[in-house]
Amino acid sequence: KAGVTQTPRYLIKTRGQQVTLSCSPISGHRSVSWYQQTPGQGLQFLFEYFSETQRNKGNFPGRFSGRQFSNSRSEMNVSTLELGDSALYLCASSFQGMNTEAFFGQGTRLTVV
Amino acid sequence: AQTVTQSQPEMSVQEAETVTLSCTYDTSESDYYLFWYKQPPSRQMILVIRQEAYKQQNATENRFSVNFQKAAKSFSLKISDSQLGDAAMYFCAYLDRGNQFYFGTGTSLTVIP
Repeated sequence: KAGVTQTPRYLIKTRGQQVTLSCSPISGHRSVSWYQQTPGQGLQFLFEYFSETQRNKGNFPGRFSGRQFSNSRSEMNVSTLELGDSALYLCASSFQGMNTEAFFGQGTRLTVV
Repeated sequence: AQTVTQSQPEMSVQEAETVTLSCTYDTSESDYYLFWYKQPPSRQMILVIRQEAYKQQNATENRFSVNFQKAAKSFSLKISDSQLGDAAMYFCAYLDRGNQFYFGTGTSLTVIP
């Protein structure tokens, strides 16, 4: 059974640009959550999607958005990139929610220059 | 908001010995989940162990066990018979009823051969 796949693995963008990250959950999983990991702030929750609906959202500005498709694949978009957006972005999938076992992808390392 | 505190940024243990990683959390909820995740250099978060707050019995997974003290809001991880492959960053995490994770800042575990 394939794990959670995040693409791309590495990304370098320029300030002001926008970026889209992708997460393919484990087959059959309907919940996808996104997290930002930085040395200064640690792991912070961005949002969770379940069956194409955003169920929960963390405390991030509106430049961070996401969506989920009917096949449960999810994308995260960051517009008007800032240097502080440089981070490892992790996605996790689970069957119904994170209280059932959640599996994480290997992350996308975003560098903003 | 819930907070999770890991007071040990770094720990080391001799191979085959036992080590305990500390975690405390703050919440006003009575129903929640607690987790320990391991993040090796590959960056992928791997579930080590999970505890449901309503269960008084401490969770155990092979060499990994927890000491869950609900009243004290403490959730420590004990690793027995430490192996070289246990070396990683360990994160304590609290999951609220909205399926949002709150992570601690992590403890970097070194296993000395």
